[in-house]
Amino acid sequence: SSELTQDPAVSVASGQTVRITCQGDSLRNYYANWYQQKPGQAPVLVIYGKNNRPSGIPDRFSASSSGNTASLTITGAQAEDEADYYCHSRDSSASHLVFGGGTRLTVL
Amino acid sequence: QITLKESGPTLVKPTQTLTLSCTFSGFSLRTRGVGVGWIRQPPGKALEWLALIYWDDDKRYSPSLRSRLTITKDTSKNQVVLTMTNMGPVDRATYYCARLYYFDSGGHSRAFDIWGQGTMLTVSS
Repeated sequence: SSELTQDPAVSVASGQTVRITCQGDSLRNYYANWYQQKPGQAPVLVIYGKNNRPSGIPDRFSASSSGNTASLTITGAQAEDEADYYCHSRDSSASHLVFGGGTRLTVL
Repeated sequence: QITLKESGPTLVKPTQTLTLSCTFSGFSLRTRGVGVGWIRQPPGKALEWLALIYWDDDKRYSPSLRSRLTITKDTSKNQVVLTMTNMGPVDRATYYCARLYYFDSGGHSRAFDIWGQGTMLTVSS
């Protein structure tokens, strides 16, 4: 079982805003990173650290954190954002890494 | 341009030992703040972190698989090798290697910023 918990599925109407959450005790001390994975493809880093986007990631992707919950927000979701999203951080011991169980985003 | 590529068998038999290689270019594992990790994904399931090796040869393993995993690096060849013993059908998955990068000097912000394409493994007799 994962130390980071995500909702299995979320849907959003095209053009609307959606928040994907990740919960875990380690998130009180460490940032979550977020990855997007489309079918048949390797994951792609979309957010790292407090709220940073790698080059090429649209600015509609943003992140926030409060307590033991990290959130990825997509403002104005597009059809191409339909994918699985995974959070990632250190575990409670800080010695190991862990991924969340993933959230499948459907854009309606 | 930074690239990583996994290589290894596509099929192993139960109880055998798996050896996977990750050959990378565009960065050095001698550079402080860099690591290479292995992550796997069973069909239709979530990502699972397996192991990580840092530039200073510090090695970390998933607690649940620690007894079966060994990760090593050859900086001269730009290669990281993962071995996993006693393979079973539940180990069927796509195995990815990825670069872990420190986005700040203290390492508080670190993430897998570049991934290989992955290699699919089946375990069957």
